Amino acid sequence: SQQGEEDPQALSIQEGENATMNCSYKTSINNLQWYRQNSGRGLVHLILIRSNEREKHSGRLRVTLDTSKKSSSLLITASRAADTASYFCATDTGSARQLTFGSGTQLTVLP
Amino acid sequence: GAVVSQHPSRVICKSGTSVKIECRSLDFQATTMFWYRQFPKQSLMLMATSNEGSKATYEQGVEKDKFLINHASLTLSTLTVTSAHPEDSSFYICSAREKTDTQYFGPGTRLTVL
Repeated sequence: SQQGEEDPQALSIQEGENATMNCSYKTSINNLQWYRQNSGRGLVHLILIRSNEREKHSGRLRVTLDTSKKSSSLLITASRAADTASYFCATDTGSARQLTFGSGTQLTVLP
Repeated sequence: GAVVSQHPSRVICKSGTSVKIECRSLDFQATTMFWYRQFPKQSLMLMATSNEGSKATYEQGVEKDKFLINHASLTLSTLTVTSAHPEDSSFYICSAREKTDTQYFGPGTRLTVL
């Protein structure tokens, strides 16, 4: 079953605008990871944030984690048409350390 | 980041045949690899956890006799879809967990069973 739910399911913005995607989960986590997937392709790892961290940055990406609310957000600043893709959050839980994926957000950046 | 490869990237086979998919971690050793399945416009569903030198752990509802997993070395895991049927057509993706806990994914294998 899906651990995480993401919203929005789809997001369409103009180039240059910021895009924010949210992820909620149900159980305690070791860490939470964000991935990007272009249509029909594999997943590209974006950021890992551990349960004791609240915020991480990587280039134009900013990830926050609120373990009390069991939620995370991914912010992409100054978006580009090339950012168009599906974005997934995935929670690392338990001793087996498998990832459970959210439902994903389809981001479309219009040129 | 680390690199995980998958082979083949695309395979078309006849119903009843078996198909083997390889997953390799190219620049790191992975004691644990994972196999996922993804249907069009859907998220990834974990099928099994592949542990080097031991039996794979399958998720509920995944038939272990149909989806054979072998993790023979620290850099290679294989998934064999036995007696494939059209309903097995899907996008299969593997991942490998690296020592920093990051999971790196392969590019995926598109299986089409006629």
